[in-house]
Amino acid sequence: GQQLNQSPQSMFIQEGEDVSMNCTSSSIFNTWLWYKQDPGEGPVLLIALYKAGELTSNGRLTAQFGITRKDSFLNISASIPSDVGIYFCAGQAGANNLFFGTGTRLTVIP
Amino acid sequence: DAGVIQSPRHEVTEMGQEVTLRCKPISGHNSLFWYRQTMMRGLELLIYFNNNVPIDDSGMPEDRFSAKMPNASFSTLKIQPSEPRDSAVYFCASSLQGNYEQYFGPGTRLTVT
Repeated sequence: GQQLNQSPQSMFIQEGEDVSMNCTSSSIFNTWLWYKQDPGEGPVLLIALYKAGELTSNGRLTAQFGITRKDSFLNISASIPSDVGIYFCAGQAGANNLFFGTGTRLTVIP
Repeated sequence: DAGVIQSPRHEVTEMGQEVTLRCKPISGHNSLFWYRQTMMRGLELLIYFNNNVPIDDSGMPEDRFSAKMPNASFSTLKIQPSEPRDSAVYFCASSLQGNYEQYFGPGTRLTVT
């Protein structure tokens, strides 16, 4: 199957700092999605991107669909303790199913 | 609005027993997905349905796994017989067909001893 590489694998940051994480693929995707998973819960959709070059914001979150269609990044500005969790990218190439990245585990230190 | 509902939330069973996981998708969604999440392999798609019809079951690990969707509001994932290596969190997700925004349930944490 498709392989999505997320980096970094984990991050430890101070509250108030900005965060940046990215996702790369060896294949082209038509759609990129970003999810957040809290402990003991299912992934929650944060942002969906549908066009190469698209930049979309959702509150303090901003995500971009790379021009090459093989990458995407997610930025979180002014982090707060509740941003803690695992962030997953997901890509869609053709059929209805998604391929998920390996996740970035974010820890925010108050 | 109710999201995706899964039951049970936790299941502990002995090796060799049958396990049935249940999912109710979001009302109006016509695509349903079953995933398995482990530390080693991350999130893996097991099978998905469009309009109650299985479309791709290539992710189902072996014949011990089976999934059904008898109607638009209910799906089951069955493991028979269960093995310790099946221990994982199993998620159900739903979406509108052709819309790639999938919404996940809270998951079922399965432990097979």
